[in-house]
Amino acid sequence: DIVMTQSPSSLAVSAGETVTINCKSSQSLLSSGNQKNYLAWYQQKPGQSPKLLIYLASTRESGVPDRFIGSGSGTDFTLTISSVQAEDLADYYCQQHYSYPLTFGSGTKLEIK
Amino acid sequence: EVQLVESGGGLVQPGRSLKLSCLASGFTFSNYGMNWIRQAPGKGLEWVASISSSSSYIYYADTVKGRFTISRDNAKNTLYLQMTSLRSEDTALYYCARRLGAVDYWGQGVMVTVSS
Repeated sequence: DIVMTQSPSSLAVSAGETVTINCKSSQSLLSSGNQKNYLAWYQQKPGQSPKLLIYLASTRESGVPDRFIGSGSGTDFTLTISSVQAEDLADYYCQQHYSYPLTFGSGTKLEIK
Repeated sequence: EVQLVESGGGLVQPGRSLKLSCLASGFTFSNYGMNWIRQAPGKGLEWVASISSSSSYIYYADTVKGRFTISRDNAKNTLYLQMTSLRSEDTALYYCARRLGAVDYWGQGVMVTVSS
Protein backbone atom coordinates (compact mmCIF):
# COMPACT_ATOMS: atom_id res chain seq x y z
CA ASP A 1 0.00 0.00 0.00
CA ILE A 2 1.13 3.56 -0.70
CA VAL A 3 1.56 5.52 2.52
CA MET A 4 0.83 9.23 2.38
CA THR A 5 2.65 11.41 4.89
CA GLN A 6 1.27 14.90 5.29
CA SER A 7 2.78 17.85 7.14
CA PRO A 8 2.28 19.89 9.16
CA SER A 9 -0.64 18.43 11.09
CA SER A 10 -1.85 21.92 11.91
CA LEU A 11 -0.94 25.53 11.32
CA ALA A 12 -2.30 28.94 12.13
CA VAL A 13 -1.87 31.91 9.86
CA SER A 14 -3.21 35.40 9.49
CA ALA A 15 -5.46 36.36 6.63
CA GLY A 16 -3.45 37.41 3.60
CA GLU A 17 -0.52 35.11 4.32
CA THR A 18 0.61 32.22 2.13
CA VAL A 19 0.31 28.66 3.37
CA THR A 20 2.21 25.57 2.24
CA ILE A 21 1.07 22.03 3.01
CA ASN A 22 3.29 19.10 2.14
CA CYS A 23 2.46 15.55 1.16
CA LYS A 24 4.94 12.75 0.58
CA SER A 25 4.10 9.35 -0.86
CA SER A 26 5.98 6.13 -0.12
CA GLN A 27 6.02 5.31 -3.85
CA SER A 28 6.12 7.43 -6.95
CA LEU A 29 2.73 8.61 -8.17
CA LEU A 30 4.09 9.42 -11.61
CA SER A 31 2.72 7.29 -14.42
CA SER A 32 5.40 6.43 -16.94
CA GLY A 33 2.73 6.04 -19.58
CA ASN A 34 1.34 9.57 -19.56
CA GLN A 35 3.74 11.45 -17.27
CA LYS A 36 0.89 12.42 -14.95
CA ASN A 37 1.05 12.42 -11.16
CA TYR A 38 -1.98 10.84 -9.51
CA LEU A 39 -2.31 13.04 -6.45
CA ALA A 40 -5.43 14.90 -5.28
CA TRP A 41 -6.10 17.53 -2.62
CA TYR A 42 -9.35 17.96 -0.71
CA GLN A 43 -10.70 20.66 1.58
CA GLN A 44 -13.10 19.78 4.39
CA LYS A 45 -14.69 22.70 6.17
CA PRO A 46 -16.14 22.16 9.66
CA GLY A 47 -19.31 20.11 9.52
CA GLN A 48 -19.14 19.65 5.76
CA SER A 49 -18.22 16.92 3.31
CA PRO A 50 -14.83 17.07 1.64
CA LYS A 51 -14.48 19.05 -1.56
CA LEU A 52 -12.07 18.28 -4.39
CA LEU A 53 -9.59 21.11 -4.95
CA ILE A 54 -6.83 19.63 -7.10
CA TYR A 55 -6.31 16.40 -9.03
CA LEU A 56 -3.44 15.04 -11.10
CA ALA A 57 -1.24 17.01 -8.70
CA SER A 58 -1.81 20.41 -10.30
CA THR A 59 -5.16 20.50 -12.12
CA ARG A 60 -7.58 22.76 -10.33
CA GLU A 61 -11.15 21.49 -10.12
CA SER A 62 -13.74 23.70 -11.79
CA GLY A 63 -14.78 26.61 -9.58
CA VAL A 64 -11.80 26.40 -7.23
CA PRO A 65 -10.17 29.80 -6.69
CA ASP A 66 -6.80 30.23 -8.34
CA ARG A 67 -5.16 30.98 -4.98
CA PHE A 68 -5.12 27.19 -4.49
CA ILE A 69 -2.09 25.78 -6.32
CA GLY A 70 -0.94 22.19 -6.45
CA SER A 71 2.59 21.27 -7.40
CA GLY A 72 5.13 18.49 -7.18
CA SER A 73 6.01 15.25 -8.88
CA GLY A 74 7.03 11.71 -8.07
CA THR A 75 6.80 11.41 -4.31
CA ASP A 76 6.77 15.02 -3.10
CA PHE A 77 3.80 17.32 -3.45
CA THR A 78 2.67 20.68 -2.16
CA LEU A 79 -0.59 22.55 -1.80
CA THR A 80 -0.04 26.28 -1.67
CA ILE A 81 -2.79 28.65 -0.62
CA SER A 82 -1.88 32.22 -1.42
CA SER A 83 -3.49 35.16 0.35
CA VAL A 84 -5.38 32.96 2.81
CA GLN A 85 -8.91 34.07 3.60
CA ALA A 86 -11.05 33.40 6.66
CA GLU A 87 -13.22 31.05 4.59
CA ASP A 88 -10.20 28.79 4.04
CA LEU A 89 -10.49 27.54 7.63
CA ALA A 90 -10.63 23.79 7.07
CA ASP A 91 -8.88 20.46 7.14
CA TYR A 92 -6.89 19.62 4.03
CA TYR A 93 -6.13 16.10 2.84
CA CYS A 94 -3.94 14.70 0.10
CA GLN A 95 -4.88 11.41 -1.56
CA GLN A 96 -3.10 9.21 -4.05
CA HIS A 97 -5.25 7.99 -6.93
CA TYR A 98 -2.45 6.05 -8.58
CA SER A 99 -3.38 2.60 -7.34
CA TYR A 100 -5.69 0.68 -5.04
CA PRO A 101 -6.06 0.79 -2.14
CA LEU A 102 -6.65 4.51 -2.37
CA THR A 103 -4.93 6.20 0.56
CA PHE A 104 -5.18 9.59 2.22
CA GLY A 105 -2.78 11.70 4.19
CA SER A 106 -3.62 12.25 7.85
CA GLY A 107 -4.76 15.80 7.23
CA THR A 108 -3.68 19.36 7.98
CA LYS A 109 -5.85 21.62 10.10
CA LEU A 110 -5.64 25.24 8.94
CA GLU A 111 -6.60 27.85 11.49
CA ILE A 112 -6.90 31.55 10.88
CA LYS A 113 -5.43 33.83 13.54
CA GLU B 1 -27.10 19.47 -9.82
CA VAL B 2 -25.25 16.37 -8.67
CA GLN B 3 -26.76 14.91 -5.52
CA LEU B 4 -25.73 11.87 -3.52
CA VAL B 5 -28.03 10.99 -0.63
CA GLU B 6 -27.00 8.26 1.76
CA SER B 7 -29.35 6.34 4.02
CA GLY B 8 -29.49 3.22 6.15
CA GLY B 9 -27.17 4.16 8.96
CA GLY B 10 -27.82 3.86 12.67
CA LEU B 11 -26.82 2.16 15.89
CA VAL B 12 -26.01 -1.53 15.58
CA GLN B 13 -24.51 -4.10 17.92
CA PRO B 14 -21.11 -5.64 17.25
CA GLY B 15 -21.34 -8.64 14.97
CA ARG B 16 -24.58 -7.51 13.35
CA SER B 17 -25.20 -6.32 9.80
CA LEU B 18 -26.33 -3.11 8.15
CA LYS B 19 -26.92 -2.04 4.56
CA LEU B 20 -26.24 1.48 3.36
CA SER B 21 -27.77 3.00 0.25
CA CYS B 22 -26.85 6.03 -1.81
CA LEU B 23 -29.36 7.51 -4.22
CA ALA B 24 -27.72 9.48 -7.01
CA SER B 25 -29.28 12.19 -9.13
CA GLY B 26 -28.28 15.01 -11.42
CA PHE B 27 -25.92 12.95 -13.58
CA THR B 28 -25.83 9.72 -15.57
CA PHE B 29 -25.12 7.31 -12.74
CA SER B 30 -24.27 4.39 -15.03
CA ASN B 31 -21.33 6.34 -16.49
CA TYR B 32 -19.42 6.72 -13.24
CA GLY B 33 -17.47 4.55 -10.87
CA MET B 34 -18.47 5.05 -7.25
CA ASN B 35 -16.92 4.78 -3.82
CA TRP B 36 -17.61 4.48 -0.14
CA ILE B 37 -15.26 6.48 2.04
CA ARG B 38 -15.59 6.77 5.81
CA GLN B 39 -14.49 9.10 8.56
CA ALA B 40 -14.40 8.04 12.19
CA PRO B 41 -15.42 10.77 14.66
CA GLY B 42 -12.68 13.38 14.85
CA LYS B 43 -10.43 11.38 12.51
CA GLY B 44 -9.27 11.50 8.91
CA LEU B 45 -10.62 10.00 5.72
CA GLU B 46 -10.42 6.28 5.01
CA TRP B 47 -11.28 4.74 1.66
CA VAL B 48 -13.54 1.69 2.04
CA ALA B 49 -14.53 0.35 -1.39
CA SER B 50 -14.91 1.24 -5.06
CA ILE B 51 -16.98 -0.15 -7.91
CA SER B 52 -16.67 0.60 -11.61
CA SER B 53 -19.57 1.87 -13.69
CA SER B 54 -20.65 -1.57 -14.87
CA SER B 55 -19.61 -3.41 -11.70
CA SER B 56 -16.80 -5.12 -13.60
CA TYR B 57 -14.16 -3.95 -11.18
CA ILE B 58 -14.53 -3.90 -7.40
CA TYR B 59 -11.92 -3.00 -4.82
CA TYR B 60 -11.91 -3.16 -1.02
CA ALA B 61 -9.76 -1.90 1.80
CA ASP B 62 -8.13 -4.74 3.70
CA THR B 63 -9.92 -3.59 6.85
CA VAL B 64 -13.32 -4.49 5.37
CA LYS B 65 -12.50 -7.20 2.83
CA GLY B 66 -14.63 -10.27 3.43
CA ARG B 67 -17.09 -8.36 5.61
CA PHE B 68 -18.38 -5.55 3.36
CA THR B 69 -19.85 -5.82 -0.13
CA ILE B 70 -20.22 -2.90 -2.50
CA SER B 71 -22.81 -3.13 -5.26
CA ARG B 72 -24.91 -0.92 -7.50
CA ASP B 73 -28.18 -0.91 -9.39
CA ASN B 74 -27.83 1.38 -12.38
CA ALA B 75 -31.55 1.12 -13.16
CA LYS B 76 -32.30 2.57 -9.73
CA ASN B 77 -29.37 5.02 -9.66
CA THR B 78 -28.37 3.52 -6.35
CA LEU B 79 -25.11 2.45 -4.74
CA TYR B 80 -25.06 0.02 -1.83
CA LEU B 81 -22.75 -1.11 0.94
CA GLN B 82 -23.68 -4.32 2.72
CA MET B 83 -21.81 -4.46 6.00
CA THR B 84 -21.60 -7.65 8.05
CA SER B 85 -19.73 -8.72 11.19
CA LEU B 86 -19.57 -5.09 12.25
CA ARG B 87 -16.94 -4.02 14.76
CA SER B 88 -16.59 -1.01 17.00
CA GLU B 89 -13.83 0.28 14.72
CA ASP B 90 -16.34 0.49 11.86
CA THR B 91 -18.04 3.36 13.68
CA ALA B 92 -17.84 6.29 11.28
CA LEU B 93 -19.59 8.68 8.96
CA TYR B 94 -19.88 6.87 5.64
CA TYR B 95 -19.73 8.97 2.49
CA CYS B 96 -20.93 7.96 -0.93
CA ALA B 97 -18.59 9.53 -3.47
CA ARG B 98 -18.52 9.81 -7.24
CA ARG B 99 -15.76 8.91 -9.66
CA LEU B 100 -12.92 6.45 -9.34
CA GLY B 101 -9.57 7.89 -8.41
CA ALA B 102 -9.97 11.56 -7.54
CA VAL B 103 -13.47 11.88 -6.11
CA ASP B 104 -15.34 14.87 -7.46
CA TYR B 105 -18.62 14.77 -5.51
CA TRP B 106 -19.39 13.59 -2.00
CA GLY B 107 -22.67 12.98 -0.26
CA GLN B 108 -23.42 14.40 3.17
CA GLY B 109 -22.67 11.07 4.79
CA VAL B 110 -24.57 8.64 6.96
CA MET B 111 -23.53 7.76 10.49
CA VAL B 112 -22.92 4.16 11.52
CA THR B 113 -22.37 3.48 15.21
CA VAL B 114 -21.34 0.01 16.31
CA SER B 115 -21.85 -0.42 20.03
CA SER B 116 -23.48 -2.75 22.51
